[in-house]
Amino acid sequence: ETGVTQSPTHLIKTRGQQVTLRCSSQSGHNTVSWYQQALGQGPQFIFQYYREEENGRGNFPPRFSGLQFPNYSSELNVNALELDDSALYLCASSLDRGLAEIYEQYFGPGTRLTVT
Amino acid sequence: EDKVVQSPLSLVVHEGDTVTLNCSYEVTNFRSLLWYKQEKKAPTFLFMLTSSGIEKKSGRLSSILDKKELFSILNITATQTGDSAIYLCAVGSGGSNYKLTFGKGTLLTVNP
Repeated sequence: ETGVTQSPTHLIKTRGQQVTLRCSSQSGHNTVSWYQQALGQGPQFIFQYYREEENGRGNFPPRFSGLQFPNYSSELNVNALELDDSALYLCASSLDRGLAEIYEQYFGPGTRLTVT
Repeated sequence: EDKVVQSPLSLVVHEGDTVTLNCSYEVTNFRSLLWYKQEKKAPTFLFMLTSSGIEKKSGRLSSILDKKELFSILNITATQTGDSAIYLCAVGSGGSNYKLTFGKGTLLTVNP
């Protein structure tokens, strides 16, 4: 069974630029959630993708957008980067059987984004 | 707005001590409470609790959920240096758009 993987591991960008982060979900999982973890804070929910559609969003502006592909992998795109976007970006995958069940989320190692 | 509060924010103990980490929450449409251990990057899943009063146990770690009083505790007995990490509490809420709301975490340091 393959775990959740993310790329790249580290990234340095300049304010105003755009960035794309990638996540491959754990084998058999169909749902991907993205979180932002600032230093000293718990992860904050950005959004979730299920069946290639956004399925819930936290308090993040529209310049944070995403995609999910047919193989359930996902991308997080951030436009017009700001200094406060510097954080660890975590992706978590899970299996939603569509039965309103409760399920665990398993996290990838994250991408450390630094905006200068 | 959903809220999860963990205490203490940090804790330093000696090997062999027993620790209790606390998590209280206020969320709409509670579904589950999860504990994660974060050492370097990826939070590692420990427990998920969905029913009140049920204790989950794995080795030296155990957790209980009190849905009436809206809190959970994570106990670690006979602590080891390898237990040093940030322990995150997260509450799952929502219906079809199930999401996790995390607390800030408790930084546990276990000294030899």
